Amino acid sequence: NAGVTQTPKFRVLKTGQSMTLLCAQDMNHEYMYWYRQDPGMGLRLIHYSVGEGTTAKGEVPDGYNVSRLKKQNFLLGLESAAPSQTSVYFCASSLAPAKLSSYEQYFGPGTRLTVT
Amino acid sequence: KQEVTQIPAALSVPEGENLVLNCSFTDSAIYNLQWFRQDPGKGLTSLLLIQSSQREQTSGRLNASLDKSSGRSTLYIAASQPGDSATYLCAVWDRDDKIIFGKGTRLHILP
Repeated sequence: NAGVTQTPKFRVLKTGQSMTLLCAQDMNHEYMYWYRQDPGMGLRLIHYSVGEGTTAKGEVPDGYNVSRLKKQNFLLGLESAAPSQTSVYFCASSLAPAKLSSYEQYFGPGTRLTVT
Repeated sequence: KQEVTQIPAALSVPEGENLVLNCSFTDSAIYNLQWFRQDPGKGLTSLLLIQSSQREQTSGRLNASLDKSSGRSTLYIAASQPGDSATYLCAVWDRDDKIIFGKGTRLHILP
């Protein structure tokens, strides 16, 4: 049971390049989330998914797209990377929505992205 | 809009002391409150989750309390150890089913 994994761990992009970050969970969780963490800003929600085939915008969605084609995977795409997207990206998952249960969020180890 | 504040931003205490970390939130209409630990360069590890109907949760040397009406939570760490050095994050689950994080308290336990 690996929990939540993220690929890659590190990446350097040039402005305008594109890439996809992969998040995978093996806990059969319905909900999945993408966050970015910046110094002095805390963690901010980019996009989230409440189940396979669904996506929704979070607090800072601009410049990112997501897809949830399979329940266990949640992909975060950057179509045209900008230096402002330099950050550490975290994926998380939870079994059910908070309003129904006491289930917690489980986090992946993060992807450190630098855009030059 | 829900805002989560953690004070202080950084804290250093000698080993063995008991300590309290504070978290406050502006909207009391929350489902849960969760405390996390983050080590440098690592992801977040869940420490304790308190449901809105609960007042506290305990795990080992950690005790978290929740006072929804005043918009406050505390994380109490007993008999601190150097291994407790990390950043501690508080997060609340709001009624839109989103989680909002504080900026964290950087804790350093002095050997």
